[in-house]
Amino acid sequence: EVQLLESGGGLAQPGGSLRLSCAASGFIFSNAAMSWVRQAPGKGLEWVSGIGGSGGGTYYADSVRGRFTVTRDDSKRTLTLQMNSLRAEDTAVYYCVKGRLPPDSWGQGTLVTVSS
Amino acid sequence: EIVMTQSPATLSVSPGERATLSCRASQSVGSDLAWYQQKPGQAPRLLISGASTRATVFPVRFSGSGSGTEFTLTISSLQSEDFAVYYCQQYNNWPLTFGQGTRVEIK
Repeated sequence: EVQLLESGGGLAQPGGSLRLSCAASGFIFSNAAMSWVRQAPGKGLEWVSGIGGSGGGTYYADSVRGRFTVTRDDSKRTLTLQMNSLRAEDTAVYYCVKGRLPPDSWGQGTLVTVSS
Repeated sequence: EIVMTQSPATLSVSPGERATLSCRASQSVGSDLAWYQQKPGQAPRLLISGASTRATVFPVRFSGSGSGTEFTLTISSLQSEDFAVYYCQQYNNWPLTFGQGTRVEIK
């Protein structure tokens, strides 16, 4: 069974940083492309960032490019999103999502709140 | 970036009736189109992939169709558990963009 467990959410100040992690199990992690998708309170889904499997590239939404960095550690089966220069509009539940063709499994999400 | 547009934003349907949701892509995505169902407080779940392949956990009343730029999700006879928000997503190219969602509510 695929399991994706996000952690690292919480309260951050504008301009601050947070680091999200996603612990994966139940599939061959190194082969899988992975993404982060967020959902602001009461809003729709927004794809944020993705990383290819097996040494594939990294990809970002325009809204986060230059501020967020996605990485993966295949030995630890962990996906990470480093979020810098946070803004109020980054407030959302952040989901870890497995797969690319198509994205097929979602974690339960971790809440990030950016507020002073 | 491929822009995905869903219509309508809200669909009011009586139980037992048919619901038809639309999704349009700003350029061709072939059949690389997924539909997700999201209920309040829950993560989205993959409902349809490849534009028309239903996930096995969902009943046969759900069907998807289309290719290129025009796609449709049909729920043949709405049940109480189907009232939710439905999102389309293209996965033909990065970034993997979503539509803004269609809320299916009880009429």
